[in-house]
Amino acid sequence: GNSVTQMEGPVTLSEEAFLTINCTYTATGYPSLFWYVQYPGEGLQLLLKATKADDKGSNKGFEATYRKETTSFHLEKGSVQVSDSAVYFCALRKTSYDKVIFGPGTSLSVIP
Amino acid sequence: ETGVTQTPRHLVMGMTNKKSLKCEQHLGHNAMYWYKQSAKKPLELMFVYSLEERVENNSVPSRFSPECPNSSHLFLHLHTLQPEDSALYLCASSQSTGGSSYEQYFGPGTRLTVT
Repeated sequence: GNSVTQMEGPVTLSEEAFLTINCTYTATGYPSLFWYVQYPGEGLQLLLKATKADDKGSNKGFEATYRKETTSFHLEKGSVQVSDSAVYFCALRKTSYDKVIFGPGTSLSVIP
Repeated sequence: ETGVTQTPRHLVMGMTNKKSLKCEQHLGHNAMYWYKQSAKKPLELMFVYSLEERVENNSVPSRFSPECPNSSHLFLHLHTLQPEDSALYLCASSQSTGGSSYEQYFGPGTRLTVT
């Protein structure tokens, strides 16, 4: 079946450090891939997405590239801020008729 | 603001109470979802409504009863809950009429505590 695996953390970084959160998936065909972010006390917000191989999604300094050959969608940011502290969820969806499959989430804490 | 609102934001209820959670989406979507988010557990999909019909019920206990009167509103009726039902309940909506990039938009959640 379809699944998403991501590093669970928690991840603790100093401000301005480089961030990578790994995400790999298992699915047939070409699913759409997403990163969601959940700030403390809030619901999930879509951070970025990619719908086909080699697409790069980007938003708020975060980037992720859809790698079909490695079935990966790693999230990166060159310089994290304290305000980036949140839980990050990798997700996939094959079609709009399918449910979204979420990874377990990775907690990120950025310290000054 | 994601276009999905949930009320109340916080709810404390006893095990014998009956309460309802409300979700409203202002995005023109035709599918709505209830998720349960418990500490240190993955997101659990509870119910899916598409075009106001329930299309998925993931073995959720009958003490949770969903209702979708129209495409903009979704309710979760609660009765005789257990302490282990304490969690963050998230509502989401999306467009579900073909294509593969229809992401879900989430509300802020209702933090439920069962005493």
